[in-house]
Amino acid sequence: DAGITQSPRYKITETGRQVTLMCHQTWSHSYMFWYRQDLGHGLRLIYYSAAADITDKGEVPDGYVVSRSKTENFPLTLESATRSQTSVYFCASSRQGAMNTEAFFGQGTRLTVV
Amino acid sequence: GEDVEQSLFLSVREGDSSVINCTYTDSSSTYLYWYKQEPGAGLQLLTYIFSNMDMKQDQRLTVLLNKKDKHLSLRIADTQTGDSAIYFCAESTTDSWGKLQFGAGTQVVVTP
Repeated sequence: DAGITQSPRYKITETGRQVTLMCHQTWSHSYMFWYRQDLGHGLRLIYYSAAADITDKGEVPDGYVVSRSKTENFPLTLESATRSQTSVYFCASSRQGAMNTEAFFGQGTRLTVV
Repeated sequence: GEDVEQSLFLSVREGDSSVINCTYTDSSSTYLYWYKQEPGAGLQLLTYIFSNMDMKQDQRLTVLLNKKDKHLSLRIADTQTGDSAIYFCAESTTDSWGKLQFGAGTQVVVTP
């Protein structure tokens, strides 16, 4: 199916565990983004990628790692989960270099760290 | 602190007009966006406006931009219950290449 999909939709993990959130898009969009959504903060950018093998930090990157070996995938890894990383995570993609382009969002992953 | 600010809540009666307000601080903002988030879903782009425009109309939606005051508003005419959602204002700048700076979101509740 065409679009952008995230998995899992829901995840509960324990403090200190490593967890990876997956994101896959079928449009061959160059740009991909990870945001976290917390009450009162809106969406904050964690990491973004302009193309395969090119990634850069956003506003709140600490505790997260990303990779982009293939254009269509952009996994986000929490190396050692903390309770402050309990949040809803959104992946998004957009076409290259056009600022009036629409960013397409996945359905989100609700992560709870206990 | 937030570069984009919005009021957090708006209640409106069905059939009335809704006005959601947003202020931003970055004078190099190039595009300003309104996204809608329905419960349990991701964000969907409603509309956007280029910073050299004052107004943009798209069916029931009217976007007004006051660049001098860095104020953006979204007016929804004839508000329906399906318009109940969280609305996010966002901006991108000339050096951000698609990265969006979001406001905290305004929850709109439409009552019958």
